[in-house]
Amino acid sequence: EVQLVQSGAEVKKPGESLTISCKGSGYSFPSYWIGWVRQVPGKGLEWMGIIYPGDSATRYSPSFQGQVTISVEKSINTAYLQWSGLKASDTAIYYCARGLALDDWGQGTLVTVSS
Amino acid sequence: DIQMTQSPSSLSASVGDRVTITCRASQGIKNDLGWYQQNPGKAPKRLIYAASTLQSGVPSRFSGSGSGTEFTLTISSLQPEDIGTYYCLQYNDYPITFGQGTRLEIK
Repeated sequence: EVQLVQSGAEVKKPGESLTISCKGSGYSFPSYWIGWVRQVPGKGLEWMGIIYPGDSATRYSPSFQGQVTISVEKSINTAYLQWSGLKASDTAIYYCARGLALDDWGQGTLVTVSS
Repeated sequence: DIQMTQSPSSLSASVGDRVTITCRASQGIKNDLGWYQQNPGKAPKRLIYAASTLQSGVPSRFSGSGSGTEFTLTISSLQPEDIGTYYCLQYNDYPITFGQGTRLEIK
C-alpha cells in the first residue's frame, strides 16, 4: 500500500526557519515525483513545486520560486519543504503528493506562523 | 501559465441528482487532467486521471470526459458522502495548475 506520512503540526514565529517532511513507503520512492501543495485555511489548492527523487530535479511554481526550497533524501525515502524566513502569510496546510498527477496524498502538515 | 477555470464555483443538489462540474483550460492540455475530491477537514483524494480514467477504489458513479480544453466531471447519482470541494488539475505543462474549486453541498 502506498503511503505518504508527513511530519506534525508546527507553530513558529515570523522570521524563523522551518523544514517539514514527507516519507514515502509501499512503492519505488526514487521513481515517482513528489509534489507540494499549499492550502490557506478556507481557500483552494495551490501547486508549489515538485522534485524527482531519482536525480533531485526540481521545478517550482513562479509564485513560490525563491520563497521555499524543496529537497529530498532518497536513502530514507523522504522529501522536504523548507523555509528560511517564515511570514504570517505562510500559515497554511501543506500537503505532499506522489506523481506528476498527484496520485496519492499525505495527511497534511499545518504550519502556523504567529508572533 | 495554463489557467484552469472551473464552473460552477458552488452548487447545491439533492441526493440522487446527476451533478456536472466543468473545467476549461486556457490552452490545449490533451488529456493531462485529473479530478480531486476534498471532503471537509480531509486531505484531497484523486478520483480521475488522464481525464477519464477512474482511480482504483472510486465508486463508478464518478466519471470524467473531455480533452483539449474542455473537461467534465459527472456524478451520476449524488450521495451524502460526496459533499466537499472538487478541483481539477492540469499536469500537461509547468507550472502545474489547479482550478479554483467547486463546493458541493446537499440540499
